[in-house]
Amino acid sequence: NAGVTQTPKFQVLKTGQSMTLQCAQDMNHNSMYWYRQDPGMGLRLIYYSASEGTTDKGEVPNGYNVSRLNKREFSLRLESAAPSQTSVYFCASSEAVSRVMGAFFGQGTRLTVV
Amino acid sequence: EDQVTQSPEALRLQEGESSSLNCSYTVSGLRGLFWYRQDPGKGPEFLFTLYSAGEEKEKERLKATLTKKESFLHITAPKPEDSATYLCAKLNYGGSQGNLIFGKGTKLSVKP
Repeated sequence: NAGVTQTPKFQVLKTGQSMTLQCAQDMNHNSMYWYRQDPGMGLRLIYYSASEGTTDKGEVPNGYNVSRLNKREFSLRLESAAPSQTSVYFCASSEAVSRVMGAFFGQGTRLTVV
Repeated sequence: EDQVTQSPEALRLQEGESSSLNCSYTVSGLRGLFWYRQDPGKGPEFLFTLYSAGEEKEKERLKATLTKKESFLHITAPKPEDSATYLCAKLNYGGSQGNLIFGKGTKLSVKP
């Protein structure tokens, strides 16, 4: 029972470098999400994909791009990393956007930008 | 501004010492109020959904309640394994679909 799998678990980037965070779910869920969690702040939605082939901006999309590669996979790309993007990133999935409250979360990617 | 405020930020209890965590929220457009548990190094795990004032949900030693302006997570006779950060979140009508508004969490420590 893998659930939601994120890779990598840890990453250190230099300012200006690019990278892609990978996320895959094996629950046949339609909707997938990317959140970031910063100390002293709640989780904030970056982007979401209501269904395969669609993506939409969340609360804090600037500096990020996403790709819903297929029903299972939803990737998050940082084109030019900045120190302000140092955070823990969580991918999540749910049966539908209307069921987001019951989303299953991955274990997170801890990203440090120096 | 749409907000979810949790208090206290941290709570230390002795095993068996019951207490409550608070979650207050801006009421406009509320579609639901949700509680999650987050263990260190892991993603949040869904616990409860509350939709209307007066509603209550229970799971083992946890009971969540909802009023018109706030929600409480009551912990009865906690055990050390209940130690975690508890998050609440709201979902609004309108705005970005799927955009849960999370509070900062209450970090609960239960000592044996």
